[in-house]
Amino acid sequence: NAGVTQTPKFRILKIGQSMTLQCTQDMNHNYMYWYRQDPGMGLKLIYYSVGAGITDKGEVPNGYNVSRSTTEDFPLRLELAAPSQTSVYFCASSHGRNTGELFFGEGSRLTVL
Amino acid sequence: AQSVTQPDIHITVSEGASLELRCNYSYGATPYLFWYVQSPGQGLQLLLKYFSGDTLVQGIKGFEAEFKRSQSSFNLRKPSVHWSDAAEYFCAVARNTGGFKTIFGAGTRLFVKA
Repeated sequence: NAGVTQTPKFRILKIGQSMTLQCTQDMNHNYMYWYRQDPGMGLKLIYYSVGAGITDKGEVPNGYNVSRSTTEDFPLRLELAAPSQTSVYFCASSHGRNTGELFFGEGSRLTVL
Repeated sequence: AQSVTQPDIHITVSEGASLELRCNYSYGATPYLFWYVQSPGQGLQLLLKYFSGDTLVQGIKGFEAEFKRSQSSFNLRKPSVHWSDAAEYFCAVARNTGGFKTIFGAGTRLFVKA
């Protein structure tokens, strides 16, 4: 079982560059999330989606965009990368309204120089 | 606003000793509560969760947690720690409103000494 798959695992960007972090899940989960993890800060929610075609902002959405064209995929777009976006990014999914359990990918470590 | 506080940034225990990791939350209603564990270089894995009912919940790997409404706490415990338990532990709360958004604490890193 693949679960939640994120690519790439590591990436170095220059300031001002753009990139997309890919996330796909094979569990037919309706809900998908993007978090960033910074040392000593826990995980902060960037964006989430409750189903194909529906997305909404989390706690820290500035500088990011998402789309959800299919149930399986939830890419995160970084426009005009800044050093403040250096972080580890986690994609997660959950089955439905009453379970709450998040299934996480292994993370994507992004460095902006 | 919801918040989760894990007062201990890191804890060191001897192998075989008992463990308690603290978690306090701020929330206006009965929350959904979780503990996740993260091994180095990995994503987070659910240890246990509390939605309602018995306030003492059992999880995987021999962990348990107790919900105390009066103290707004959800502390994680294990009677005897193994070296493989060394990891970072996150307490989290969620509300079931159009997406089940989950808020995480800052985490507690557990070190286990032989």
